[in-house]
Amino acid sequence: AQRVTQPEKLLSVFKGAPVELKCNYSYSGSPELFWYVQYSRQRLQLLLRHISRESIKGFTADLNKGETSFHLKKPFAQEEDSAMYYCALRPYSSASKIIFGSGTRLSIRP
Amino acid sequence: DADVTQTPRNRITKTGKRIMLECSQTKGHDRMYWYRQDPGLGLRLIYYSFDVKDINKGEISDGYSVSRQAQAKFSLSLESAIPNQTALYFCATSDLGQGGAGELFFGEGSRLTVL
Repeated sequence: AQRVTQPEKLLSVFKGAPVELKCNYSYSGSPELFWYVQYSRQRLQLLLRHISRESIKGFTADLNKGETSFHLKKPFAQEEDSAMYYCALRPYSSASKIIFGSGTRLSIRP
Repeated sequence: DADVTQTPRNRITKTGKRIMLECSQTKGHDRMYWYRQDPGLGLRLIYYSFDVKDINKGEISDGYSVSRQAQAKFSLSLESAIPNQTALYFCATSDLGQGGAGELFFGEGSRLTVL
């Protein structure tokens, strides 16, 4: 069965410190991986996807198929990064659905 | 502005009542989804629909039903609400996108409390 695991419910770091939000998945095929973010009083929205290989708001995420991980990283945290972050997986099939992890709340301390 | 709209945004009801949450979208997307969000559990998929004639159960469909009235409308019903259905419900849409990588666009959520 497909599963997405985010081991940390809450992550608190100081402004300027590096951030890493962990995401592990279980899926036997080739998945698409995403990070979604929900800022306070805003809608849940896409932050980045692995196929784009892009950096959004200073965040990057690399798909490691050997470790089945898709950790989200940022070298220097900013206060506006405080939000709820969800890792999500979509099996690489047009008839498939997106599965979310349980989420990690990131809190940036000034 | 193209958007995903959910109604009602907040609802308090009693055990045993029938509740309908509605979702409409102006994005022109074929795919629509209903998720529920619970603290510590994240988002769990209830039902999804890839077009008007296609309805599929998600992870936690028991106690729920859906209706895809049109491409733009996807309703979630609780036939007989119970307290453990108290949650924040999200509707989302997606397009297939290139290579099958469709981004999800979410509504603002409907907070349901069952007493």
